Amino acid sequence: GAGVSQSPSNKVTEKGKDVELRCDPISGHTALYWYRQRLGQGLEFLIYFQGNSAPDKSGLPSDRFSAERTGESVSTLTIQRTQQEDSAVYLCASSSLPGTNYEAFFGQGTRLTVV
Amino acid sequence: DAKTTQPNSMESNEEEPVHLPCNHSTISGTDYIHWYRQLPSQGPEYVIHGLTSNVNNRMASLAIAEDRKSSTLILHRATLRDAAVYYCILSLHGSSNTGKLIFGQGTTLQVKP
Repeated sequence: GAGVSQSPSNKVTEKGKDVELRCDPISGHTALYWYRQRLGQGLEFLIYFQGNSAPDKSGLPSDRFSAERTGESVSTLTIQRTQQEDSAVYLCASSSLPGTNYEAFFGQGTRLTVV
Repeated sequence: DAKTTQPNSMESNEEEPVHLPCNHSTISGTDYIHWYRQLPSQGPEYVIHGLTSNVNNRMASLAIAEDRKSSTLILHRATLRDAAVYYCILSLHGSSNTGKLIFGQGTTLQVKP
């Protein structure tokens, strides 16, 4: 596809269940980012993948959160034992190698509601 | 991660220029300055970025102070569609986490007709 694709677009889950959120970055983009945005708040950094480097997981809020990326393609963000405070929009972005003309392209996000 | 400071909100009149300031006094020599904006109910979109020299593109201009401790995003003629949250971000280059983008709270721009 032409842009960053995230699925599902909306997810309602019961407290305590595990969820998987998927991100398909733009083909050829080596960098991939996950962010969380609670209602009315700014973007909270979660994790960053850059090429073959070890991912920067410094933003993951707890060990219930994990993310993987297969090579330079799809990434999944997994939240185990979901809590109500996990309700938010989860945004994924990708970019090419940092250089003089790179920009990050964002998907439309997955709106997660934990009931 | 180096931090940025922006005003929480600003107002502008339609068709007038808008200057959005950003302070980044802890910027390092290899940090790029990026600006993104987020329209209501959408993901952020890239606006512009630069290192040392002022930059212009079809959306905006970026004026960078000589000491690089501050920058200003300039929208030359604000339209109602420019109402959004504008984020000023520093992106590190030259290390293992090069390109990492950390968003602050941003400036909410209101454009009045």
